[in-house]
Amino acid sequence: GQQLNQSPQSMFIQEGEDVSMNCTSSSIFNTWLWYKQDPGEGPVLLIALYKAGELTSNGRLTAQFGITRKDSFLNISASIPSDVGIYFCAGSTGSSNTGKLIFGQGTTLQVKP
Amino acid sequence: DVKVTQSSRYLVKRTGEKVFLECVQDMDHENMFWYRQDPGLGLRLIYFSYDVKMKEKGDIPEGYSVSREKKERFSLILESASTNQTSMYLCASNQRGTGSNGYTFGSGTRLTVV
Repeated sequence: GQQLNQSPQSMFIQEGEDVSMNCTSSSIFNTWLWYKQDPGEGPVLLIALYKAGELTSNGRLTAQFGITRKDSFLNISASIPSDVGIYFCAGSTGSSNTGKLIFGQGTTLQVKP
Repeated sequence: DVKVTQSSRYLVKRTGEKVFLECVQDMDHENMFWYRQDPGLGLRLIYFSYDVKMKEKGDIPEGYSVSREKKERFSLILESASTNQTSMYLCASNQRGTGSNGYTFGSGTRLTVV
């Protein structure tokens, strides 16, 4: 099945550093979503993007919907230990009525205090 | 607080057993999904359902079946568990539409088949 190309696969950073991750697709998406999964839990929605070029923030998190509608990035500023987890991008082409999302492979983030 | 509840956080089953994973949502969502999560492979869709008694295969349906007799409940069935089905299983739901409202996920069931 179709998957988004998410990179990097993993990151190990020092507390206080900024983080950037991105997702690309060969298809156009109408919606981009970013999820975070804490260890041992299910993913939780962080940010949703609905318009090409849209830049949205949620605290220290900022995400953008690419102009081509084929990519998105997520930035985390001034990382803290509780940012540890797996971050997933997800997209919807809007071409069906089933509400099905397509997911990236995930970026595993580890933060060293 | 709206939620998706998976009945078990951890399960250990023997090879060949029939395994039921249960998922219940209280948001009156039409769509429900079952994913498995493996390191490096992300989330892979097993089955989804967009209405009671309706089901569609996802990307990796082999070895699995599902049941949706009531709107709020979506069950994943491993007909004869095998060791390669050891994984984290995630249930999710959302409203009927184009997916723009995202999913609400359950906390996951970590299944070990021995």
